[in-house]
Formats: sequence, structure tokens, C-alpha cells
Amino acid sequence: NAGVTQTPKFRVLKTGQSMTLLCAQDMNHEYMYWYRQDPGMGLRLIHYSVGEGTTAKGEVPDGYNVSRLKKQNFLLGLESAAPSQTSVYFCASSHNLDENTEAFFGQGTRLTVV
Amino acid sequence: GEDVEQSLFLSVREGDSSVINCTYTDSSSTYLYWYKQEPGAGLQLLTYIFSNMDMKQDQRLTVLLNKKDKHLSLRIADTQTGDSAIYFCAESRGSSNTGKLIFGQGTTLQVKP
Repeated sequence: NAGVTQTPKFRVLKTGQSMTLLCAQDMNHEYMYWYRQDPGMGLRLIHYSVGEGTTAKGEVPDGYNVSRLKKQNFLLGLESAAPSQTSVYFCASSHNLDENTEAFFGQGTRLTVV
Repeated sequence: GEDVEQSLFLSVREGDSSVINCTYTDSSSTYLYWYKQEPGAGLQLLTYIFSNMDMKQDQRLTVLLNKKDKHLSLRIADTQTGDSAIYFCAESRGSSNTGKLIFGQGTTLQVKP
């Protein structure tokens, strides 16, 4: 049981390049989230999904797109990377929010845009 | 607004109690959580409290909830150097088809020997 797996763990991009971060969970969770973590700002929600085929915007969605084609995967895309997107990205998943449910986090992806 | 607010830094001596505070905004939040993040790692759930409770104790951890003031606190008794980490409070917002998990900025706890 791997939990939540993020790939890649590290990446350096040039401004304007594109990339996709992959999040995979094997717990059959309905909810999945993408956060970015920046010093002094904590975790900010980028996009989230409440089920396969659905996505919704979080607090800081601009410059990112997501897709949830399969229940176990949640992809975060950067179409044209900017230095402001240098951050540590965390994916998380949970069952639902109606009952107490723990969110499980991946180990993070450290992205640097130069 | 959307904000879940925490103080950014707390320093205590080993053996003392630590109290980390958090304020939230959504009175309809069902559950409130405390997560711990150690250096270079993801977040791990420490404890949680249901919104109709005032207090929850779990070994060295005590969670207090004041719904009227929308204030949540985490007390760590007999703080150890291994407790040094960033602590995040989080609230669950919305229903099962629109909900999301919102985090505070995180409080860095420094434990001095």
C-alpha cells in the first residue's frame, strides 16, 4: 500500500516550459487536492477534485490546470512556467468531508523555474 | 474571507508545554484538524476534533475548540525536541460534493534543549 505518490520529486524548468505533475493514490479516495507551499504562506489550495471527472478551483488556480480522468490519478499541469511558480507542490487525498477523514499527503515535488 | 490564521513561530524549552493557536472563518466546518510537517516531508495528521466538541485529549495532545470565537488550539504537554516541526491547522469546508480542505499558514515550533 503506497498511499499517495507524487512524481517527479524534483524538477527544474526554464521560464515558458510546460510540465505535468502526477499524483497517484491507491486508497480509493474520492477527494484529491493540489497545494503549493511557500515560506510564510503555508499551504494554498490550487485545485481540487471531489470525484473522477470533476475538478474545481482552489485559492490560487491561475497558471495551472488539472485533470482527473481516473479516480486514482490527479494531474497538475503548468502550460507556461513562470518563476513565481517556484514552490513545493503537495498532493493529498481523502475519502470525503462529511465524516472525519484524514487527508494523506505525498512527499512533495520541489519545482524551480529559472 | 477564506483565511485560516496561525501565528508563524513558537519557541519553547524542552519539557515545557506548547500552545499553538488557530482561528478559522467557516462556522459550518464539520471537522478541524492539526497536521504536523517534519523537515523535507509531507504532512501527517496529528489529531482532529469534531465541531460539536469543546475539547479532545490524546496522550500529550489537547485540542480546545471555541466555536463562538472560531478559535482552535493545540497544546503539547512535556514538549520534546522531536516535536520540532511545522504545525498546520485545517478546516473542512462545504458538503461532500463541494467541499475542500483549507489550511493555515503553519506554525514553526522550535524546541530548545
